[in-house]
Amino acid sequence: QKEVEQNSGPLSVPEGAIASLNCTYSDRGSQSFFWYRQYSGKSPELIMFIYSNGDKEDGRFTAQLNKASQYVSLLIRDSQPSDSATYLCAVSKAGTASKLTFGTGTRLQVTL
Amino acid sequence: GAGVSQTPSNKVTEKGKYVELRCDPISGHTALYWYRQSLGQGPEFLIYFQGTGAADDSGLPNDRFFAVRPEGSVSTLKIQRTERGDSAVYLCASSSGPRTEAFFGQGTRLTVV
Repeated sequence: QKEVEQNSGPLSVPEGAIASLNCTYSDRGSQSFFWYRQYSGKSPELIMFIYSNGDKEDGRFTAQLNKASQYVSLLIRDSQPSDSATYLCAVSKAGTASKLTFGTGTRLQVTL
Repeated sequence: GAGVSQTPSNKVTEKGKYVELRCDPISGHTALYWYRQSLGQGPEFLIYFQGTGAADDSGLPNDRFFAVRPEGSVSTLKIQRTERGDSAVYLCASSSGPRTEAFFGQGTRLTVV
């Protein structure tokens, strides 16, 4: 079992819709959870981080964490073609970002 | 600098050769990380520096890989006796501390032929 699992996609959503990206993790010691966006040929860019159970909203993005189910998700409202990218879920232990374990990423396609 | 700078952006080397990859972090960032990303995969942790010392090198795959950060700024990842399986994008990231956002450089694409 991989430490961080994501559906590779592609996930296709129409412009203006809500995109829902999901991630599960295996290590119950994980304390910090991150979502990165990576455009093709580019480096990862931090979108959101979340430490506590529940929802965290930032603009069109909402991160959701459920530690009991070992599940973290990212919702993108009003999806735009510019949101088309690979979204990487990453976790770390002990409340630090020093050693991130990444999933393989979910490719999102926002269609016109 | 304005961002994390990595050089070279591309490196092609022959199997068995030695390579050095350089990372220049954001000015003032004390934490520096090296990751490796293979095609279709997420980045894989290699090593983390806090200042000059390697705080966690548990991700280095074997003793052919070594990294230094002698003055607590620029870091060099060194790979000896390269193998075709070492081909990947090597990403460097830095942050102002272990609990803060890490910013990634554009990476060095290493191809071993």
